[in-house]
Amino acid sequence: AQKVTQAQTEISVVEKEDVTLDCVYETRDTTYYLFWYKQPPSGELVFLIRRNSFDEQNEISGRYSWNFQKSTSSFNFTITASQVVDSAVYFCALSESGDSNYQLIWGAGTKLIIKP
Amino acid sequence: ETGVTQTPRHLVMGMTNKKSLKCEQHLGHNAMYWYKQSAKKPLELMFVYSLEERVENNSVPSRFSPECPNSSHLFLHLHTLQPEDSALYLCASSQVRGDFNSPLHFGNGTRLTVT
Repeated sequence: AQKVTQAQTEISVVEKEDVTLDCVYETRDTTYYLFWYKQPPSGELVFLIRRNSFDEQNEISGRYSWNFQKSTSSFNFTITASQVVDSAVYFCALSESGDSNYQLIWGAGTKLIIKP
Repeated sequence: ETGVTQTPRHLVMGMTNKKSLKCEQHLGHNAMYWYKQSAKKPLELMFVYSLEERVENNSVPSRFSPECPNSSHLFLHLHTLQPEDSALYLCASSQVRGDFNSPLHFGNGTRLTVT
């Protein structure tokens, strides 16, 4: 079975706090991709990162960082020094190689509210 | 204009109406997608076109009819919809080469309300 779980439905923090969004996935494949997308109130989903299953190096991009742990099947996303503009719904997704190339398994999303 | 553009942004229609959603991508991608986003549900893939051929149709009711006249344009024709079809409909595109699929680029969506 393929499944992506984002257990946090909504998170609210005050600006400048650090916040971590959790993503846990299930797959039987050894080759797969994990994604994070951001959906601001405008509606458009914006691609943030893709990670393949063979690359467990953590990645940092400005205030954003991602922690990929195959041992716990997690791909968590941390925003450091959060800003109001970070307020959005964040989705984690999984794609398996060998399966339908076009199918992404999406998590339910985490709504992040950054208060000024 | 760049990216993925969807029109209209908002649409209200009665159950007996016929309407169409339009999507246009200016990224040179060769695959286009329709997704449905309902409240408190994961994103649902409806249709995928690759090189203008439909490659995925995820058990979508026939009241939704896609059309892909070329690699830059995608339509979703709607007729005799139900109130439960009210949702945000998102178009996306990507570049597919063999087994490799680039990340999806999304439009802003069409907020559809069926009365």
